[in-house]
Amino acid sequence: GNSVTQMEGPVTLSEEAFLTINCTYTATGYPSLFWYVQYPGEGLQLLLKATKADDKGSNKGFEATYRKETTSFHLEKGSVQVSDSAVYFCALSDTGGFKTIFGAGTRLFVKA
Amino acid sequence: DTAVSQTPKYLVTQMGNDKSIKCEQNLGHDTMYWYKQDSKKFLKIMFSYNNKELIINETVPNRFSPKSPDKAHLNLHINSLELGDSAVYFCASSQSGTSRLHEQFFGPGTRLTVL
Repeated sequence: GNSVTQMEGPVTLSEEAFLTINCTYTATGYPSLFWYVQYPGEGLQLLLKATKADDKGSNKGFEATYRKETTSFHLEKGSVQVSDSAVYFCALSDTGGFKTIFGAGTRLFVKA
Repeated sequence: DTAVSQTPKYLVTQMGNDKSIKCEQNLGHDTMYWYKQDSKKFLKIMFSYNNKELIINETVPNRFSPKSPDKAHLNLHINSLELGDSAVYFCASSQSGTSRLHEQFFGPGTRLTVL
C-alpha cells in the first residue's frame, strides 16, 4: 500500500540556517505530493504541493521537488526564521483524492 | 468566513460518557474527514465521507459513529469514552476528482480530555 516516511525530529536550527526535511514515499500510480505545516495550537495547513514528476512546489521560501526516480519530496528552505518553528508533515494523495497518507511529522525548532 | 469549523474547541469529560463533535465546511467540497492526532503529533485517519457516503473506515472502534447529514457537515459521536480517546480530533475537507489537487483544508481541532 501507499506510505510516506519522513525524517524523525526534532530538528533544531539557528535562525538563518539552511533547512532540509527528508521525505520518501511508496505509491502505485502517480500520486500528488504535499507538505503541510502545523503551528502550535492550530490545524494543519497546506504549505506547498506538486502533482507530477519534476514539478517544484514553493511557498514562503520553502521548496520541494517531486522526484519520481528517487520517490522523494524533500522540503528545503535557504534561511529559516523563528516563526518557522512548527511541525511539518509530508503527505501523498491517491489518484482519486479520497485518501491522503501523512508522514509522522517532523518538529522544527528555530532559535534566535 | 471560516472555511472549516469545529465545535467545541475543548472538551473535558468523564470516562463512560457520550459526547459529540460537530464539523462544518463552507468550501463546497464533496469529501470530509475525521483525523485523530495523538500526543506525539501522529495523525491517523479515522473516517472519510464522499457526498455523504462513508468511503473510509480505518478500523476505528464502533464506539465512534460519524454522521453526515449533508455534504457540508460531518459530525462525530463517541459512546462510552475511554482514557485512550484523549487526543486532538481534526475535521478536514477536500474536493475529489481528477484535478489532482486534492489538498485538504483542516479545522482548528477539538482537544478531548477524558478523565
